[in-house]
Formats: sequence, C-alpha cells, structure tokens
Amino acid sequence: AQRVTQPEKLLSVFKGAPVELKCNYSYSGSPELFWYVQYSRQRLQLLLRHISRESIKGFTADLNKGETSFHLKKPFAQEEDSAMYYCALSGGSQGNLIFGKGTKLSVKP
Amino acid sequence: GAGVSQTPSNKVTEKGKYVELRCDPISGHTALYWYRQSLGQGPEFLIYFQGTGAADDSGLPNDRFFAVRPEGSVSTLKIQRTERGDSAVYLCASSPGLAGGPSYNEQFFGPGTRLTVL
Repeated sequence: AQRVTQPEKLLSVFKGAPVELKCNYSYSGSPELFWYVQYSRQRLQLLLRHISRESIKGFTADLNKGETSFHLKKPFAQEEDSAMYYCALSGGSQGNLIFGKGTKLSVKP
Repeated sequence: GAGVSQTPSNKVTEKGKYVELRCDPISGHTALYWYRQSLGQGPEFLIYFQGTGAADDSGLPNDRFFAVRPEGSVSTLKIQRTERGDSAVYLCASSPGLAGGPSYNEQFFGPGTRLTVL
C-alpha cells in the first residue's frame, strides 16, 4: 500500500536548536518525495522536492531509499519556521500526491 | 500572477442538500486536482483532471461526489445529498503540465473551501 507516515503530530523546539521532522514512506516503485508547508492563515505551499536537491529557507531533506525515509532538517530553527509541515509522495508523472498527517512545528523564543 | 482561487471560502449547508465548489486554476495549467482535508489529517486525493477529462477519479468516496472541468480551466466539485461526514476543507491544486519544464508536476494549492454540513 502507498503510505506516508509522519510519526510526530507536534514538535516543539527552542530558537536556534536543530530540528528534524520525520517522514517515512511505503511505495512499490520509485516515488518522488515532497515537503509542503502551511503557515498560519496561508495556503499550502511547496517547500522542497527531493529531485531538486535544494536548500530552501535553510531546510534540507535527503531521500534514503534503504530506510524509505525523507526527513526534513534544519540546523538552527527560527521562530518564523513555526508552521504545519506535510510530507507527500507522488508516483511520478502528474499523478496525485499522497500526504502524511502532518507535523506541527513550534519554535519558541 | 494570480494563484489558484476557490469559491466560496466557506459554505454551510444542511444535511441532504446539494453543493457546488468552484476552483479557478493558474492560467495555462493543464492539470487540476481536488483534495479533501479533514481535521487533523493531511489532504486526501479525490480526483485529477488532465485538460477536460478526469484522468484519475479513484479518490472520490462514492457516487454522491462528481467533478467537471468542461473547458479545461475552471472546475466544479459537486456533492449531492450532503452528509455530516462530508464536512471538511476542500482543496484545489493545479500544475503546469509538460510545458512547465522541470516543475511540470509541482502542484500549486488554493486557499480551500471549508464545507460544514449541519
């Protein structure tokens, strides 16, 4: 079955601390993995995708096919990073996204 | 340019009524997606259009749900005989398609329509 698992509903860290949001997936083929972010009162927006291998707003994510993981990391969290983060996968082409349940990141001053 | 827009932003209806939710994708985007997001959950796929045709409607929960995209742009999600369990935020997204280069399948989301069935 195709599935995305985000084990943490809420992650709370202090400003300047490292943060890692976990994502594991189950997919039989070669999926494309994404992280989407939703800031308070804003729409869902793409943060990064594994094929671009970019660092966006200091966040990085590496696809580990052996562990079927795509964890999101940032070395020094900022208060403005507080938001809801969703991991998602696509089977490629222009198919639909399969989302995890999301992790709420709270960065305290 | 303008992003994906959805109307209405909020819809309150009574059990058993019919509702229509509208999505205006980004101009030129060939692919359009509908998702439903219940409280505490991630978005769940409903249906995907490529142009005017439904390329994948496997996420529609039952035959009370139907969606159209007659001219390959605006789409309407239609729900008949609404039930309390249909209450959710309905999200629409669009993506550029093959003309969009490497970002051809990047999905841009609208603000959603919050549907409440009393």
